[in-house]
Amino acid sequence: AQSVSQHNHHVILSEAASLELGCNYSYGGTVNLFWYVQYPGQHLQLLLKYFSGDPLVKGIKGFEAEFIKSKFSFNLRKPSVQWSDTAEYFCAVNPRGTYKYIFGTGTRLKVLA
Amino acid sequence: DAGVTQSPTHLIKTRGQQVTLRCSPISGHKSVSWYQQVLGQGPQFIFQYYEKEERGRGNFPDRFSARQFPNYSSELNVNALLLGDSALYLCASSFEGFRGPETQYFGPGTRLLVL
Repeated sequence: AQSVSQHNHHVILSEAASLELGCNYSYGGTVNLFWYVQYPGQHLQLLLKYFSGDPLVKGIKGFEAEFIKSKFSFNLRKPSVQWSDTAEYFCAVNPRGTYKYIFGTGTRLKVLA
Repeated sequence: DAGVTQSPTHLIKTRGQQVTLRCSPISGHKSVSWYQQVLGQGPQFIFQYYEKEERGRGNFPDRFSARQFPNYSSELNVNALLLGDSALYLCASSFEGFRGPETQYFGPGTRLLVL
């Protein structure tokens, strides 16, 4: 069955630390990839997406993600986190040609000021 | 532009009852998807509708049904509610590009509590 794994369920960082959140998926075909963020009290917002082309994609607020096809991974990174990055982050996969979007279980990030 | 809107924001029902949740997509979006998000988990795909037709369905029982109207708004119905149906129900809309459905934009959700 198709699935998305986010290995880190809870991450605590100090401001200015670097961030990397892992995302792996199980699907052998072509996929569209997404990272969504949910700030406290707000709804899911798109952070960045990958459809094709350069496997390193840049999103809003200084986030970036790299698609490594051989590893079925789409890890999210930010060089220097801020207190305002405290949120829950979800990785999602859309197998191309289907209408399903499969979400990971999410990673709760807490950034200490 | 207004984002995806959902109503009601909160709902309390008892076991066995039926519930209807509503969603209005972003203007110009013809595709609407429904998700269930249980506390501590990611959203789980329930349905996708496009041009009033069901185009995809997740692993949910027949108690869950939906429809899409000519103005592309959508309703999700859940019959014979169970305690386990307590969750945040999310609606997402997307524009239909040449690659098919593109980025999904989510509404704030309806929080359903079944007692």
